[in-house]
Amino acid sequence: DAGVTQSPTHLIKTRGQQVTLRCSPKSGHDTVSWYQQALGQGPQFIFQYYEEEERQRGNFPDRFSGHQFPNYSSELNVNALLLGDSALYLCASSLGGSWGAYEQYFGPGTRLTVT
Amino acid sequence: DAKTTQPTSMDCAEGRAANLPCNHSTISGNEYVYWYRQIHSQGPQYIIHGLKNNETNEMASLIITEDRKSSTLILPHATLRDTAVYYCIVRVANDMRFGAGTRLTVKP
Repeated sequence: DAGVTQSPTHLIKTRGQQVTLRCSPKSGHDTVSWYQQALGQGPQFIFQYYEEEERQRGNFPDRFSGHQFPNYSSELNVNALLLGDSALYLCASSLGGSWGAYEQYFGPGTRLTVT
Repeated sequence: DAKTTQPTSMDCAEGRAANLPCNHSTISGNEYVYWYRQIHSQGPQYIIHGLKNNETNEMASLIITEDRKSSTLILPHATLRDTAVYYCIVRVANDMRFGAGTRLTVKP
């Protein structure tokens, strides 16, 4: 049973550049959420994609955007990178609707370093 | 902001039960309580969730007070591999609001 996969594992970018991170959800899952985790802190919700649309968004600027493909995989794009964007970016997948109980399964994350 | 408060750190002896408390006094009637853990630099791992009733699975038990304002995660026989940061989360719509969590250290 394939779990959540993310690529790349590590990435180093320069301030002002753009980056794209990728996520494949757990088999059978149709919903993907993205989180940013700064060193020593808990993950912070960026946004969630369901049926190829952004369903909910956390308190992140428009520099953070995403996309979900028909096969449910997803991309996170960050433009005009800042030093403060250095973090572990986590993707989580889940199944279905917004109400009721559901479990999110997290990938191993992409470690982004901005210099 | 996270809707939960947890102790910053706890220790537990190997083989003993680890009881991790969480306060969520502003929880709404339809909001679930989730527990995840994160072992150093890995993605968070789902442990258990509940709404009103106590829950048990192969990893842990979740005890929720009758007024739902607090809960306790119980690892019945802690091992060294249970050393991790444990997050208690109240889910608000599709937003899993993580706080800083409790760093549990299991000692031999």
